[in-house]
Amino acid sequence: DAGITQSPRYKITETGRQVTLMCHQTWSHSYMFWYRQDLGHGLRLIYYSAAADITDKGEVPDGYVVSRSKTENFPLTLESATRSQTSVYFCASSGQTSGGGETQYFGPGTRLLVL
Amino acid sequence: GDSVTQMEGPVTLSEEAFLTINCTYTATGYPSLFWYVQYPGEGLQLLLKATKADDKGSNKGFEATYRKETTSFHLEKGSVQVSDSAVYFCALSGTSYGKLTFGQGTILTVHP
Repeated sequence: DAGITQSPRYKITETGRQVTLMCHQTWSHSYMFWYRQDLGHGLRLIYYSAAADITDKGEVPDGYVVSRSKTENFPLTLESATRSQTSVYFCASSGQTSGGGETQYFGPGTRLLVL
Repeated sequence: GDSVTQMEGPVTLSEEAFLTINCTYTATGYPSLFWYVQYPGEGLQLLLKATKADDKGSNKGFEATYRKETTSFHLEKGSVQVSDSAVYFCALSGTSYGKLTFGQGTILTVHP
C-alpha cells in the first residue's frame, strides 16, 4: 500500500525492556520524523532524519535511538523502556505538494504502554 | 525559537454553529503555516496550509488566512457538522524541509 505505515499499532511492554517501533514510507521522501503525543504537550519531536544514515535530535531525544539504513524505513528504539515513555508515537515523512513547500504526512501511530 | 499558541479547549458546539479556533505564532523569517486534524484513534491529516502572507488555505469548508501583521492563522468554518468532532492542531514550519512546531491542540466536539 502506498503511504506511510507504522507497526505495531499497539504495544504493551515492561520497564527495562527494549522496544522497537517501525516506520515505512513508499514515497521515497528524504525527510522522516518521529514524534510523541502526550496530553498537555501536543506533539514533540524526538528525532528526524534528512536521508539514509543522517539523523539528528529533536526536542525530546533522551532514551531513544534511531537508525536509517534505507530511505523508506526509520525505526525508533527505546533501549530500556520507562513508564514516562508511555505515549502515542507518530512517524511522519516530508515531501513537496502542489501548493508549494514541504508538507509532512503522518502514519497512524503506535500506542505504547510501559508497565 | 519558533512557537505556536492555540486557544485552549475543549470547544463544544451545536451542529451548524460557526467555528473559530485561534492560532498565533512566533517565528523568524517567513514560515509556512498548517492546520492538521486528528480524528479519534487516527494519525494527523493535513487539513489546509498557507505558505506566504495573505494566503488563504481552504479545505472541506474550513478556511484560514495567513496574517503576518498579527502573526495569526485562525481556523474558521461557517457551519460545523458532527463529523468535524476531532482534535485540531496548528503548526508552523520555518525550515525548507518541513520540520514542524505544533500548538497544543484544540479538542472540538459537535453535538447534533
